[in-house]
Amino acid sequence: QQQVKQSPQSLIVQKGGISIINCAYENTAFDYFPWYQQFPGKGPALLIAIRPDVSEKKEGRFTISFNKSAKQFSLHIMDSQPGDSATYFCAASGGSNYKLTFGKGTLLTVNP
Amino acid sequence: SQTIHQWPATLVQPVGSPLSLECTVEGTSNPNLYWYRQAAGRGLQLLFYSVGIGQISSEVPQNLSASRPQDRQFILSSKKLLLSDSGFYLCAWRRITEAFFGQGTRLTVV
Repeated sequence: QQQVKQSPQSLIVQKGGISIINCAYENTAFDYFPWYQQFPGKGPALLIAIRPDVSEKKEGRFTISFNKSAKQFSLHIMDSQPGDSATYFCAASGGSNYKLTFGKGTLLTVNP
Repeated sequence: SQTIHQWPATLVQPVGSPLSLECTVEGTSNPNLYWYRQAAGRGLQLLFYSVGIGQISSEVPQNLSASRPQDRQFILSSKKLLLSDSGFYLCAWRRITEAFFGQGTRLTVV
């Protein structure tokens, strides 16, 4: 019930392309879905987050798409740049749960 | 603004030695505090979380312990380190929904 499944494990995209990372959850009590970006040797940084009352949220080149009925959400990075190369984590939390449940991460490499 | 401090950045310790990692948060009060470990690879494993002074919840049985002696201070400890305790340790605090991470401590047990 607490799992968040993230795919793919790794992703290689050409500069200017679209990067898509997918996550699926099981716990219907989850009501907050953030994405984190982590560069090597650094702590994860909050990138963008969504609540299930909207189906899409966009911030610059980053967009979260949310499908409540399918219990899935995804991160789209438009016009991917080499500087976007990092590990991306999806997460979920909700209800009285104090914890964020993380996916296992996706290593994104954007080739110049 | 809120900031989170975590130290040291790197640490090399012999097997059997004690450990103390400290995390402090500034600019907020009564935050939820968390310790995560990230082993070689990428996954984030929640070790401990705290919703208040002296209140610690452990997620996995292990060689580590946590304490929260002050509202904005969270400490990760071990009496005797094992090789398997090596990893990247991250402290985080949570404000309502968003969680913010420190820069991490790279611990190598030799």
